[in-house]
Amino acid sequence: DAGVTQSPTHLIKTRGQQVTLRCSPKSGHDTVSWYQQALGQGPQFIFQYYEEEERQRGNFPDRFSGHQFPNYSSELNVNALLLGDSALYLCASSLGSGVDLKGNQPQHFGDGTRLSIL
Amino acid sequence: GDSVTQMEGPVTLSEEAFLTINCTYTATGYPSLFWYVQYPGEGLQLLLKATKADDKGSNKGFEATYRKETTSFHLEKGSVQVSDSAVYFCALSGGNTPLVFGKGTRLSVIA
Repeated sequence: DAGVTQSPTHLIKTRGQQVTLRCSPKSGHDTVSWYQQALGQGPQFIFQYYEEEERQRGNFPDRFSGHQFPNYSSELNVNALLLGDSALYLCASSLGSGVDLKGNQPQHFGDGTRLSIL
Repeated sequence: GDSVTQMEGPVTLSEEAFLTINCTYTATGYPSLFWYVQYPGEGLQLLLKATKADDKGSNKGFEATYRKETTSFHLEKGSVQVSDSAVYFCALSGGNTPLVFGKGTRLSVIA
């Protein structure tokens, strides 16, 4: 049973470029959340997708956008990259309506994509 | 808004020592509380959770009790092993909100 898979594992970009990160949820899960983890910090919530719609969004600019596909996989897009976007980007999947974010349905995390901006 | 404060590391212990990592939270309502662990080069794994006051979460010898009166959820283990070396994150999720994490505490256990 495959867990949450993310690609690529590492990525190097330059300022101003655009990047797309991908996530396949754990089998049977229908909800995908994205987090940004800066070095030495805890993960911060970017947004969550359920039924191909963004259900909740954290305090991130519009440069961060996403998509969920009918097979529940998801993409995170970041435009006009800044040095401060360098971080580990984590995808988490869960099973639920997407409304219950209280954590009664545990989130399963992937190993992340390490994004470095030069 | 909701927030989590956990003790700063790094914490270095000898094998078989007792571990405590302090975590306190601020939240409206009654959040669920979690401890996640992150091993080098990996994502986060749920270690344990508690969904209401006085609940005790436990897993792999780790325990934490949801203390509403002190807004705390301290992580404890009676005897740590080298394999427990990792970064530990305290987190909460309240009402209709996503996970809010603390900054993490790095634990190093030496043989």
